[in-house]
Amino acid sequence: GENVEQHPSTLSVQEGDSAVIKCTYSDSASNYFPWYKQELGKRPQLIIDIRSNVGEKKDQRIAVTLNKTAKHFSLHITETQPEDSAVYFCAGPNTGNQFYFGTGTSLTVIP
Amino acid sequence: DAGVIQSPRHEVTEMGQEVTLRCKPISGHNSLFWYRQTMMRGLELLIYFNNNVPIDDSGMPEDRFSAKMPNASFSTLKIQPSEPRDSAVYFCASSFGQRDNYGYTFGSGTRLTVV
Repeated sequence: GENVEQHPSTLSVQEGDSAVIKCTYSDSASNYFPWYKQELGKRPQLIIDIRSNVGEKKDQRIAVTLNKTAKHFSLHITETQPEDSAVYFCAGPNTGNQFYFGTGTSLTVIP
Repeated sequence: DAGVIQSPRHEVTEMGQEVTLRCKPISGHNSLFWYRQTMMRGLELLIYFNNNVPIDDSGMPEDRFSAKMPNASFSTLKIQPSEPRDSAVYFCASSFGQRDNYGYTFGSGTRLTVV
């Protein structure tokens, strides 16, 4: 997306290790930051999101952190499992109601 | 709720033919989005509607592409004439609320192949 940069583009981790994916954005007015997971051949699905009034949100093994000063937010997956292998997308809002997606991170969890 | 419903799931057509993709958003959602996904370009926003009105179509590639939303429960994306470079997965998504409020729910997508 034009206003969202995502890194890395690929990531391989051993099962049980942690994975971190980072996105930076440019729109300082942004206050909602979602993450999507897309398994091969399937639709993107919202897995976690965060609003700007908090710095961190957790849901079991996944968490998202937000640094509004630096304009970046990160997805953290702990105790990775093979079923976590997928492409992960961050998204940033534009001036309207639409989201532009990052270029995606292909995560491979090696058993 | 059955979620966002797209049809067809797969479409193979010859270059020059007209293609129509269909989408039924989640009942109560007031925003609808059409995205195109390819390996080279990722997820591209084509157009979005709010309360059935097109708000931003700047992502529509060219005049061959058009989209309509005649009512709150139905939208179409039409390509006429189709070209091989239009081959991609086309996703429809819907959401409720204004900016920064809610994430999207995607449909299963239509895999379009133009030969």
